[in-house]
This record gives sequence, C-alpha cells and structure tokens, in this order.
Amino acid sequence: KAGVTQTPRYLIKTRGQQVTLSCSPISGHRSVSWYQQTPGQGLQFLFEYFSETQRNKGNFPGRFSGRQFSNSRSEMNVSTLELGDSALYLCASILTGTDEQFFGPGTRLTVL
Amino acid sequence: AQSVSQHNHHVILSEAASLELGCNYSYGGTVNLFWYVQYPGQHLQLLLKYFSGDPLVKGIKGFEAEFIKSKFSFNLRKPSVQWSDTAEYFCAVPGDSGGGADGLTFGKGTHLIIQP
Repeated sequence: KAGVTQTPRYLIKTRGQQVTLSCSPISGHRSVSWYQQTPGQGLQFLFEYFSETQRNKGNFPGRFSGRQFSNSRSEMNVSTLELGDSALYLCASILTGTDEQFFGPGTRLTVL
Repeated sequence: AQSVSQHNHHVILSEAASLELGCNYSYGGTVNLFWYVQYPGQHLQLLLKYFSGDPLVKGIKGFEAEFIKSKFSFNLRKPSVQWSDTAEYFCAVPGDSGGGADGLTFGKGTHLIIQP
C-alpha cells in the first residue's frame, strides 16, 4: 500500500506571495490533517478534512486555508506569505474512525 | 484543550544504556496516546500507540510505553539503546472529538542522541 505523498517536497517563495501544497492520502483513507512544524513551536495542528468537509481548524490566521477533493486528495494554501511561515508542512492520512495518523514526508517551505 | 508535556528536550546516552522519556497529558477521560519518532531526514513514523486494554504497550524496534492513568503519564522506554535510535521523539494525544477531527496535540519533542 502506497504511503502518503506530498508535493512539492521543497519550495522557496518570497514575502507576499502565495503557495499551494498538495497531499495524497493512503488509498481508502477519507480524512487528512495538516500540521506545521517549526523549531520554535514544534508540531501544530492546522486543519482536518473528512469527505471534503473541514471539521476543525487550529489556531492559525485566515491566510491558511485548505480543501479536500472527492478523491480525498487535499491541498493547503497560504496567502500573503510571511517570513514566519517558513516551516515543514506535514500532511497526515487518518485511518477512518480512529485517531491513528500516518504522516507524509512533508513540504519544506522557505520564505525569503 | 489537550496539552502534552515532555520533560526532557535533549537526552544524550551511550549505546546499551537504558532509556526512559517522560510524557504527561492533561485530559482526564478516555484517551488514546501515541509516540512518534522522526529519524534524521525522514518523516514522522508511529512508534507505538495506546487505545485501551493492557497499559503496557509494545512498539517497533524494541520500544515500549506504559500508560499510568493516575499519573496522566505515558512514558517511553527501551532497555538498551542503539546508535540508530538517534532521533526526535514526540508524544501525542488526540483532541476530544475523536476520529482524528481535532488533530493531534504534540509535545515539544525530545532530541535523543546515542553516542557509540
């Protein structure tokens, strides 16, 4: 069974730009969650999607948004990038009906 | 809201030493608990999990953890560490909604270095 895939793996953007990250969950999983990982704040929950619906969102500004498609693939978007958005963005595929999450390799975003 | 506390941020051990990493969580009800590991350059992997039943759970690579409800703790242990155990270790607890809806709350992580 293929794992969680995230594209791109690395991104370099400048302040003010926007970025879209993509995540494909494990086949059969209908739920994905997104996390931001930084050295200072650690791993922080961004949002979670189940069957194309956002069920919950972490404490992040509205510049952070996401969506999920009918095939369970998910995207997250960050608009008006700030230097502090530099981080590793992780997507997790959730085993349906449980809290068990399987993580992808992440997208390393650098904002200059 | 849930919170998770990991007591040791940096741990340095020699090979064959015993390991115990502390984890405390805030929620007092029914709880699922996880330990994840992030090896250098690799993605987060599930080390072990506790959902219910036997409070002593065994994971991959010889790791185990004990759930002590009265102490709100879920400490990770390994009797004899190897150089390849060098990694970042995270304790995590899900939110109240269940089914992954609230995501996982992670501790700050413990950076473990094993010296040969």
